[in-house]
Amino acid sequence: AQTVTQSQPEMSVQEAETVTLSCTYDTSESDYYLFWYKQPPSRQMILVIRQEAYKQQNATENRFSVNFQKAAKSFSLKISDSQLGDAAMYFCAYRLNAGGTSYGKLTFGQGTILTVHP
Amino acid sequence: GAGVSQSPSNKVTEKGKDVELRCDPISGHTALYWYRQSLGQGLEFLIYFQGNSAPDKSGLPSDRFSAERTGGSVSTLTIQRTQQEDSAVYLCASSSPGQRTNEQYFGPGTRLTVT
Repeated sequence: AQTVTQSQPEMSVQEAETVTLSCTYDTSESDYYLFWYKQPPSRQMILVIRQEAYKQQNATENRFSVNFQKAAKSFSLKISDSQLGDAAMYFCAYRLNAGGTSYGKLTFGQGTILTVHP
Repeated sequence: GAGVSQSPSNKVTEKGKDVELRCDPISGHTALYWYRQSLGQGLEFLIYFQGNSAPDKSGLPSDRFSAERTGGSVSTLTIQRTQQEDSAVYLCASSSPGQRTNEQYFGPGTRLTVT
């Protein structure tokens, strides 16, 4: 079974600084997606960034980028120029791409609470 | 367009009562998922519907939990004889599996409190 681990329950960063959230995962599959979701106090899960396992180039979305190390099964999220609105719970998630019963469902890490200080 | 909607937003029920939680997916999305978010268990998958295929019920924690999806659209998650450990936020998501990215779009969730 696939597992996702976020070892940092809480992180904090000063506004305008850079912070990196860690995520490791375990899978024997080769075709999968990894995601970072943001959950603010409103509970709405928002997709921040996604990475396809077959793509070696790290994904980037504006101030958000990932460091995807497939061999090490590591998928960290870097937030540059942190803003107050980035404060939220961040979840790392895994999704298999193959057919079968596990197709589509997300396996989540435990989450990291990010606090942004002004 | 409209996103995924869930109702009610909050539900308080007494132990032993049955509850129904509703999810309206994004129009045209054929896949629908239910997840549970609780303090002790984190975010866990419950059930997955894809078109007319048999649902993947592998995440349902007990036979008190069931879900149906009528007409390939609206879904209802039913919890019978609720227990205090059922208290959690229940999240619904939908996606269009025709796309390789198969991105899941989440609703705002229903917070269930069992007293």
